[in-house]
Amino acid sequence: GESVGLHLPTLSVQEGDNSIINCAYSNSASDYFIWYKQESGKGPQFIIDIRSNMDKRQGQRVTVLLNKTVKHLSLQIAATQPGDSAVYFCAEREIQGAQKLVFGQGTRLTINP
Amino acid sequence: EPEVTQTPSHQVTQMGQEVILRCVPISNHLYFYWYRQILGQKVEFLVSFYNNEISEKSEIFDDQFSVERPDGSNFTLKIRSTKLEDSAMYFCASSPRDGYTFGSGTRLTVV
Repeated sequence: GESVGLHLPTLSVQEGDNSIINCAYSNSASDYFIWYKQESGKGPQFIIDIRSNMDKRQGQRVTVLLNKTVKHLSLQIAATQPGDSAVYFCAEREIQGAQKLVFGQGTRLTINP
Repeated sequence: EPEVTQTPSHQVTQMGQEVILRCVPISNHLYFYWYRQILGQKVEFLVSFYNNEISEKSEIFDDQFSVERPDGSNFTLKIRSTKLEDSAMYFCASSPRDGYTFGSGTRLTVV
C-alpha cells in the first residue's frame, strides 16, 4: 500500500530555472493522469492532464511526460516564477469503477529569488 | 470560469456533534466527489456520486458519513457524530468526465 507521511519531498530551484517534479503511480490500469497545484489553504488547482495513449503533452510553461513502462509521470515547469511555489500532486484515474482520482504524496516546490 | 463553491470555509464543532458540509458543483457536471486532506498529508478519496447515487466509497467513508444531492444543485456531506480524527480539509469536486474541478475546501476542526 501507499505510505502516508507528514514530510513532503521538497524541491528548491532558482527563479528562472526549469523545475522537474516526479511521480510514481501505482495502477497500471489507470487511463488518465492529472497534475494539480495546491497553495496553502486552497484546493487543488488543475495544471495539465494526459491520457494513457500519450507520452507527452505541453501547456503554457508546463510539460507532462508519461512513461507507462515504469509507471512514472513528470511535470516540467519552464522558467519558474515565485508564484509557482506550492505543493504539486499527481493524480491517476482508474479505468474502471467510479472514475475516482487517486492522489500521490505531493512535492513542495520552493522558488529561491 | 465555472467554479465549485463550498461552504462554510471553516467549521469548528464539538466531538460527537453532527456537521453538514455544503458544495455547489458546476452545473453541467455529472460526477461529484468528496475528498479530504489531513494537515500535511495527501488528498484522500472519500466518495463518488453519479446518477443520484453513490458509485464508490472508500474505507474512510463509514456509517458516520452520508452524502445527498437534495435539490439537484447542492451536494452535501454529513458527518453524524464527529471524532477528533475527522479534523481535516474537505474538498468537493465535480467532473463532466475528464478535468476534475475542486472547490476551495472546508476546514473542519473537531474539538
